[in-house]
Amino acid sequence: DTAVSQTPKYLVTQMGNDKSIKCEQNLGHDTMYWYKQDSKKFLKIMFSYNNKELIINETVPNRFSPKSPDKAHLNLHINSLELGDSAVYFCASSQGGTSGGTDTQYFGPGTRLTVL
Amino acid sequence: DQQVKQNSPSLSVQEGRISILNCDYTNSMFDYFLWYKKYPAEGPTFLISISSIKDKNEDGRFTVFLNKSAKHLSLHIVPSQPGDSAVYFCAARVLYGGSQGNLIFGKGTKLSVKP
Repeated sequence: DTAVSQTPKYLVTQMGNDKSIKCEQNLGHDTMYWYKQDSKKFLKIMFSYNNKELIINETVPNRFSPKSPDKAHLNLHINSLELGDSAVYFCASSQGGTSGGTDTQYFGPGTRLTVL
Repeated sequence: DQQVKQNSPSLSVQEGRISILNCDYTNSMFDYFLWYKKYPAEGPTFLISISSIKDKNEDGRFTVFLNKSAKHLSLHIVPSQPGDSAVYFCAARVLYGGSQGNLIFGKGTKLSVKP
């Protein structure tokens, strides 16, 4: 059983298109995240979300929006795709709440997005 | 500005020897540090962590050391095994907006363990 899954694994699309990446976790976690790993290999937080609040990294363009239909899912919608959006996007989840600093994030396998 | 730095992009070690991966940070507000391991085409997986109130945490072959005054942590793997070959990410947590802290990652160090 995959704890955190993402679909699709690979996504190739044209500039200007709108696309979505889906993420599901079966760990019963309260908090989910989206990360971007760019060409320089940095893993950077884009969003963290639980059923109470959405925290957005201020550097993320508003073309990116997370959508959570329920606690187990956090999908990433990207509008008007640009060349610079090409990257690997990782979803993650954690128990969240007050866990004394031992809150471990579990990552999905990643989605490699290529914008042509 | 990189708050978490892994200055060695790669490290090669002989099987059975010790692997030492280093990480430096700049933000004195970090209160929790983690190491993640990543194989190609997979997501990072949690390896070991340490709270800022400790200076050492050990789990089997993996030990993390924290030197707060130097803002430096290291991961020791002994003995190293070929299956340890992967990219290792150092990460630190900073409290943000009162919600669960977000992780700040380093750029990673690619470890190759040769038989």
